[in-house]
Amino acid sequence: DAGVTQSPTHLIKTRGQQVTLRCSPKSGHDTVSWYQQALGQGPQFIFQYYEEEERQRGNFPDRFSGHQFPNYSSELNVNALLLGDSALYLCASSTGTGYQETQYFGPGTRLLVL
Amino acid sequence: QKEVEQNSGPLSVPEGAIASLNCTYSDRGSQSFFWYRQYSGKSPELIMFIYSNGDKEDGRFTAQLNKASQYVSLLIRDSQPSDSATYLCAVNPKGEYGNKLVFGAGTILRVKS
Repeated sequence: DAGVTQSPTHLIKTRGQQVTLRCSPKSGHDTVSWYQQALGQGPQFIFQYYEEEERQRGNFPDRFSGHQFPNYSSELNVNALLLGDSALYLCASSTGTGYQETQYFGPGTRLLVL
Repeated sequence: QKEVEQNSGPLSVPEGAIASLNCTYSDRGSQSFFWYRQYSGKSPELIMFIYSNGDKEDGRFTAQLNKASQYVSLLIRDSQPSDSATYLCAVNPKGEYGNKLVFGAGTILRVKS
């Protein structure tokens, strides 16, 4: 049973560049959530996709955008990168958006902005 | 006031002891509560979830929820050095469509052999 996968594992960018991160959900899951985890902090919710639509959004600027494809995989795009965007980006998947649905995390993409 | 608060630790316990990890949350309408374990450099791994008041046991782990006090805890019995990690408490707040998780900053647990 394939778990949540993310690519790439590591990425180095410079300020002002754009980045795209990818996520494939766990088999049987249709909902993808993205989180940003800064060093020493808990993950912060960015947004959640279900049925190819953004269903919930956290307190992140419009520079952060996403997409979900018909096969439930998802992308996170960040434009005009800032130094403060350096973090571990986590994708989590679940079966639906109900409060009892558990979210399972992928290995993450570690982004460094120079 | 932070939405989910945890003592950052580190919490140090000897091998074989009970580790008690605590978490408080501000949204009284929160519906579901999760504990994740995160090893250094790795992603969070689900340990337990709880929805109703009371205790829920799974192996060496027991989650306790008290909605009136807005408090959730995780007990780890017979702690092992392999339990040394950061433990993240996560809460699903009520009201919005979707099941976003709000995390605390985590408690570092160190189990000494």
